[in-house]
Amino acid sequence: QSALTQPASVSGSPGQSITISCTGTSSDVGGYNYVSWYQQHPGKAPKLMIYDVSNRPSGVSNRFSGSKSGNTASLTISGLQAEDEADYYCSSYTSSSSYVFGTGTKVTVL
Amino acid sequence: QVTLKESGPVLVKPTETLTLTCTVSGFSLSNARMGVSWIRQPPGKALEWLAHIFSNDEKSYSTSLKSRLTISKDTSKSQVVLTMTNMDPVDTATYYCARIRWGQYYFDYWGQGTLVTVSS
Repeated sequence: QSALTQPASVSGSPGQSITISCTGTSSDVGGYNYVSWYQQHPGKAPKLMIYDVSNRPSGVSNRFSGSKSGNTASLTISGLQAEDEADYYCSSYTSSSSYVFGTGTKVTVL
Repeated sequence: QVTLKESGPVLVKPTETLTLTCTVSGFSLSNARMGVSWIRQPPGKALEWLAHIFSNDEKSYSTSLKSRLTISKDTSKSQVVLTMTNMDPVDTATYYCARIRWGQYYFDYWGQGTLVTVSS
C-alpha cells in the first residue's frame, strides 16, 4: 500500500487560508468516506482534527474543515494562526481492511 | 479520561524481536467496539500504520509487515502487545498506540509514543 501523496510544505500569513491536498486511489481515498486528518507538533503525538472526510471532533476549532473529490481529499485551515504551525497527515481506510497515511505536510505561518 | 501509554525497550539489536506494550485507561478492551492500533514514525518521516486489534479479537496487519507482526491483548491487564520479529535499523522509529472503535475509521486518542532504536 503506497502512502497517500501530500505536498511537502504549505505556508501562509496569519489570517489567511491554506489548503492541503491528499491524493490516493480508488482503493483508499476514492473508495471510502473514511479520510481523517492529524496535526502533529514537534515531539508530540498526532492529534485528530478531522474524521470521515469533513467531521470535526469536539474541541477542534471550526477554522479546520475537510472535503473530498474523487481520489483527493483536502484540509483547509482558515484564519491561519501561529499555533497552526505543525505537520499535518491525512489517513484513509483501504480496501485491504488496513490504513494508509499521507506523506505529511509541514505548515509554516509566515 | 482516555489515556494510552506505550512501554518497551529503548534499544534492540538487529535480528532481535521487539515487544511493545500499550496500557490503556479510561476505556475497557472488553467493551464492545473498542480497539487499539499500532502506528510508527521513523525520525523525520511519515506515520505508518502497523496493526489493530478489537475487543472481539479481530485483527488486521499491514500487508508489507504482516509476516513480522503479531498483535494480542490481555483484557484483564488493559494491555495490547505488539511483537515485531527480525528487527532492522530501518525499523528505528517512535511507536505509537492509538484507540480505534469498531465501525469508526480513525484514531481518536494517541499515546505519547516510545522511541525504539535498532542498533548493534
